[in-house]
Amino acid sequence: DGGITQSPKYLFRKEGQNVTLSCEQNLNHDAMYWYRQDPGQGLRLIYYSQIVNDFQKGDIAEGYSVSREKKESFPLTVTSAQKNPTAFYLCASSTDRYYGYTFGSGTRLTVV
Amino acid sequence: KQEVTQIPAALSVPEGENLVLNCSFTDSAIYNLQWFRQDPGKGLTSLLLIQSSQREQTSGRLNASLDKSSGRSTLYIAASQPGDSATYLCAAPSGSARQLTFGSGTQLTVLP
Repeated sequence: DGGITQSPKYLFRKEGQNVTLSCEQNLNHDAMYWYRQDPGQGLRLIYYSQIVNDFQKGDIAEGYSVSREKKESFPLTVTSAQKNPTAFYLCASSTDRYYGYTFGSGTRLTVV
Repeated sequence: KQEVTQIPAALSVPEGENLVLNCSFTDSAIYNLQWFRQDPGKGLTSLLLIQSSQREQTSGRLNASLDKSSGRSTLYIAASQPGDSATYLCAAPSGSARQLTFGSGTQLTVLP
């Protein structure tokens, strides 16, 4: 079945560490997105990519980095510069402006 | 910049009741609008996608309407069931790169 796979499901980060969240899709979608969700809040856009080797900052990109070396993969690195990284991270993809988004199951990141 | 608002933030109803969730958006130059469901700790599941040329979209007991001129969409749930308990999110596109802007959601509880 086609879909988006996010891993790991749970991730714990120590202070000062960089961690990378994985997002893989087999839907042949061109565009991929990373969102952050905090309790009681809507989703906020971190980064997005419309094609391979190209990506743009969203509304809350500070402290995060991404790469898009393959169409299927869009990993997100949470750097030590992100002071409040504890949140639920969701990856999504879409193929065309007239088609909707498909989401992964999310990664819950906790700072310990 | 697109802003999306959902009312009410929370709703509790007895089983069997029909209910309406509301979504408003500020930029009416949208090509579609998408409704999602989110269960606790899970990713988003797409429920309905309404194209700008449509006024309504139906899936089972769910019916979503779109009125671009007034900047509003509604999600109608008929004969609600306890299994419908979840958070419902509305999202509208923002910008030329197909980014979605999300509302904060309506948390629905259907009481048996």
